[in-house]
Amino acid sequence: DAGVIQSPRHEVTEMGQEVTLRCKPISGHDYLFWYRQTMMRGLELLIYFNNNVPIDDSGMPEDRFSAKMPNASFSTLKIQPSEPRDSAVYFCASSLGTRGLAGELFFGEGSRLTVL
Amino acid sequence: AQSVTQPDIHITVSEGASLELRCNYSYGATPYLFWYVQSPGQGLQLLLKYFSGDTLVQGIKGFEAEFKRSQSSFNLRKPSVHWSDAAEYFCAVGGLKGGSQGNLIFGKGTKLSVKP
Repeated sequence: DAGVIQSPRHEVTEMGQEVTLRCKPISGHDYLFWYRQTMMRGLELLIYFNNNVPIDDSGMPEDRFSAKMPNASFSTLKIQPSEPRDSAVYFCASSLGTRGLAGELFFGEGSRLTVL
Repeated sequence: AQSVTQPDIHITVSEGASLELRCNYSYGATPYLFWYVQSPGQGLQLLLKYFSGDTLVQGIKGFEAEFKRSQSSFNLRKPSVHWSDAAEYFCAVGGLKGGSQGNLIFGKGTKLSVKP
């Protein structure tokens, strides 16, 4: 079975540019999570969706960040405008039912973002 | 405040030796506990989980962990380490609080190196 698929795997951009990260969750999973990983802060939950509806976006750092889930098989995380401090690895994860609420997640391989 | 502490940033063990990675947590609700493993350039993979019941849980790749409520610990063990176990290991705590999602909180991780 295909796992969580993220694209691009690597993105290098210049400060001020718009960045869009994409995620395809595991088919049938009803929870989708976006995490950010940095050396300084470790893994942080940015936002999560249930049945395509954003449930908790309290981890989104600021208005420059937005996330959408137009259907059950696709989600995007957008940064506009990007800044050097946004450089990190962004992970998408999905899960099924309340196991997702409890933390049993399936992660993608991540999108490594570098903002120059 | 809710937190997860992994006191060891980096551990080196010889191949074939036993391994114990430490994890302590602070969580106001009934904790659900997890160990995830991250190989270089990869996403996180669930090794094992504790929700309730037997406090000694078995996971994939020969790993096990023991929940000790009195010590607020969930240490990961393996009796004989293989070179392929070299990776970074994350302890995490999550759970349902009042029926709604409790943010999955990750430790900072322990990097495991394996000597031939």
